[in-house]
Amino acid sequence: KAGVTQTPRYLIKTRGQQVTLSCSPISGHRSVSWYQQTPGQGLQFLFEYFSETQRNKGNFPGRFSGRQFSNSRSEMNVSTLELGDSALYLCASSPAGWGSYGYTFGSGTRLTVV
Amino acid sequence: GQQLNQSPQSMFIQEGEDVSMNCTSSSIFNTWLWYKQDPGEGPVLLIALYKAGELTSNGRLTAQFGITRKDSFLNISASIPSDVGIYFCAGQSVGANSKLTFGKGITLSVRP
Repeated sequence: KAGVTQTPRYLIKTRGQQVTLSCSPISGHRSVSWYQQTPGQGLQFLFEYFSETQRNKGNFPGRFSGRQFSNSRSEMNVSTLELGDSALYLCASSPAGWGSYGYTFGSGTRLTVV
Repeated sequence: GQQLNQSPQSMFIQEGEDVSMNCTSSSIFNTWLWYKQDPGEGPVLLIALYKAGELTSNGRLTAQFGITRKDSFLNISASIPSDVGIYFCAGQSVGANSKLTFGKGITLSVRP
């Protein structure tokens, strides 16, 4: 069974640019959550999508957005990048979201903003 | 917002020793999870706990869901070098607000 696939693995962007990260969940999983991981703040919840609808949102500025497609694949976008956006972005998929069954993480996308 | 406290930030143990990690919260959770993260990878679920007082084992790992639902601990027995990594606790509430809230993690080092 394929795991959660995140692409690309590494990205370097310049301040002010925008970036789109992709997450393909485990087949059959309908929930995709996104997290930002930094050494100082740890794992911070960005948002969760279920059946193409954003179901939950963390405390991040509007520059961070996401969407989910009908095949459950999800993308997150960060516009007007800032140096502080440098982080490991992780997505996690699960069959339904609540309840902890199958909260499987991908390996992440390492974003560096210069 | 909800916060989970894990301390210390780092632990150093000798191979073969047991180690215990604690996680506390100011809020009640319905589910407690323990994850391990290796460098360059995403967190991997080790143990999930669903009921207050529950004690669950997974090989050399044992975790308990605190009676107050505000804490959990993870015990690793007879540590081996591959136990090295960052251990995160996470809590989850049931319902629409179903996001995971993570602790900041404990970095475990095992001396051979």
